[in-house]
Amino acid sequence: GAGVSQTPSNKVTEKGKYVELRCDPISGHTALYWYRQSLGQGPEFLIYFQGTGAADDSGLPNDRFFAVRPEGSVSTLKIQRTERGDSAVYLCASSLFGGNEQFFGPGTRLTVL
Amino acid sequence: AQSVTQLGSHVSVSEGALVLLRCNYSSSVPPYLFWYVQYPNQGLQLLLKYTSAATLVKGINGFEAEFKKSETSFHLTKPSAHMSDAAEYFCAVSAIQGAQKLVFGQGTRLTINP
Repeated sequence: GAGVSQTPSNKVTEKGKYVELRCDPISGHTALYWYRQSLGQGPEFLIYFQGTGAADDSGLPNDRFFAVRPEGSVSTLKIQRTERGDSAVYLCASSLFGGNEQFFGPGTRLTVL
Repeated sequence: AQSVTQLGSHVSVSEGALVLLRCNYSSSVPPYLFWYVQYPNQGLQLLLKYTSAATLVKGINGFEAEFKKSETSFHLTKPSAHMSDAAEYFCAVSAIQGAQKLVFGQGTRLTINP
């Protein structure tokens, strides 16, 4: 079956602009996670959804970052007033409810000029 | 709180030699432990996981890892390296209960010499 998909695969934007990154989880997976991977680093947790609600958003770095999952499936990560330090690969993962294995998408590479 | 330390950001071995990638963790609660592999320009792929059953865990592509609670370690091994094993490897820890967000180490880049 289809895995986790993320769009766009690459996004180049200018400092100060607004961006949206989309994640389509595996069908039937109720848990959805966003991570950020900076160059040469391991992924860092941003936010976790169980269904439509954000169960844990402790990893969001500041209030410029926001994520939604209105119907409990597709999720959008929104970044306002982008900064050069936001440049990274943004990874999405999904899992079954209560499952311990997360399936990762290919990521969106965000470059802020 | 949880954390992971991967010793050695870069490991180089000869084809056919033993692969050993080190991972130590810190966790205030019983952990689940994972090894992921990332090939260039690809997403993370699960190699194996420890979920409080057998302490010696076998994964894909001939890799295995042993959970040692006394040493807080979860080192990854493979008896004989293959050229196709060249990639970035990440160790991760999560709590057994709750959000189960993954906390990753910094990664180890494995290079295989012919």
